[in-house]
Amino acid sequence: KNQVEQSPQSLIILEGKNCTLQCNYTVSPFSNLRWYKQDTGRGPVSLTIMTFSENTKSNGRYTATLDADTKQSSLHITASQLSDSASYICVVGGNTGTASKLTFGTGTRLQVTL
Amino acid sequence: DGGITQSPKYLFRKEGQNVTLSCEQNLNHDAMYWYRQDPGQGLRLIYYSQIVNDFQKGDIAEGYSVSREKKESFPLTVTSAQKNPTAFYLCASSIAQGQETQYFGPGTRLLVL
Repeated sequence: KNQVEQSPQSLIILEGKNCTLQCNYTVSPFSNLRWYKQDTGRGPVSLTIMTFSENTKSNGRYTATLDADTKQSSLHITASQLSDSASYICVVGGNTGTASKLTFGTGTRLQVTL
Repeated sequence: DGGITQSPKYLFRKEGQNVTLSCEQNLNHDAMYWYRQDPGQGLRLIYYSQIVNDFQKGDIAEGYSVSREKKESFPLTVTSAQKNPTAFYLCASSIAQGQETQYFGPGTRLLVL
């Protein structure tokens, strides 16, 4: 069964600090991995998308890494800001590229405090 | 929210009632999707449409129906057959169905009275 597991489930950090969120997956066949940011009560917004051949991708203060061999990904947030408080969702796409082959993680809820 | 609108923001349903959630996009995307989000669970696909007048069931289609009469519109009806409809419903679209990034709407929260 295709699964995407994220850790930690929730995280509280001080403003200005860095943090790393983890994503492990057992989706097969693998095609791509996406990270989304979801503010409370809003729709998710895409941060990065990586294919099998990519092992890192950045979007401003967000840097995603992918290790397709160990089936792990991480999202690193640098110099956190209060506006980073949100849920971060890892999504893995299967090789057929159909919508039904996207597997969503349950998300990591990040809270940035003063 | 990337040119996708959903309405209403909140919707209340009485038992035995059908309700329709609206989703409109002005991104000229061919593919559109409906997801359901419950606390502690990942998004689950209800229905998707690759092109006008075509749609397919997702993983949890029972108790739901859709139509795709226009490219920009993909309404979702929650029927009385859906026994546990309370959830956050998200509509998304992409240029085509497949690897492309999906853009999500702001969501509709459905509550049962």
